[in-house]
Amino acid sequence: AQRVTQPEKLLSVFKGAPVELKCNYSYSGSPELFWYVQYSRQRLQLLLRHISRESIKGFTADLNKGETSFHLKKPFAQEEDSAMYYCALSGTGANNLFFGTGTRLTVIP
Amino acid sequence: DTAVSQTPKYLVTQMGNDKSIKCEQNLGHDTMYWYKQDSKKFLKIMFSYNNKELIINETVPNRFSPKSPDKAHLNLHINSLELGDSAVYFCASSLQGGNSPLHFGNGTRLTVT
Repeated sequence: AQRVTQPEKLLSVFKGAPVELKCNYSYSGSPELFWYVQYSRQRLQLLLRHISRESIKGFTADLNKGETSFHLKKPFAQEEDSAMYYCALSGTGANNLFFGTGTRLTVIP
Repeated sequence: DTAVSQTPKYLVTQMGNDKSIKCEQNLGHDTMYWYKQDSKKFLKIMFSYNNKELIINETVPNRFSPKSPDKAHLNLHINSLELGDSAVYFCASSLQGGNSPLHFGNGTRLTVT
């Protein structure tokens, strides 16, 4: 069965410091991994997906199949990065998306 | 304004009542979902519809019944509401399946008293 684990419920960093939000998964097939973000008073939205291999708002995430991880990283945190971040997994061709429990990131000015 | 819209935004009701939450998307997507976010912010899928056809029905009580009159709408009807049903319910849609990015509604905060 698929499972997404985000070990940190809360994460606080100072502005300008590097940030890493952890995500580990378990899935027997070839997963597709995503990061979703929910800013205060806004709807949940896609931040990035591993197959795009892109950087969005300075964030990157690399799929590490050996460690079954998809950690979200940013070298220099900004105050506007404060939000709730969800890691999510979908099996190839699957009609579903499983979410981790989320990590609330607070960037301290 | 292209989006996923769900109504109402807030719903406060008493135990035992029946209520509905409506969801509409004008993005031309084929797949729609209902997710439940509990007090711990955990998001869990409830239902998934593809072109009006039920694809996924997770372990949700029978009191929850989704209805999709057309592929742009997916409503959620809840019978005999219980205290444990209090949560934020999110509607979402995607072009095709879970591998396409999901677009979420703003959520409906249901409070059962």
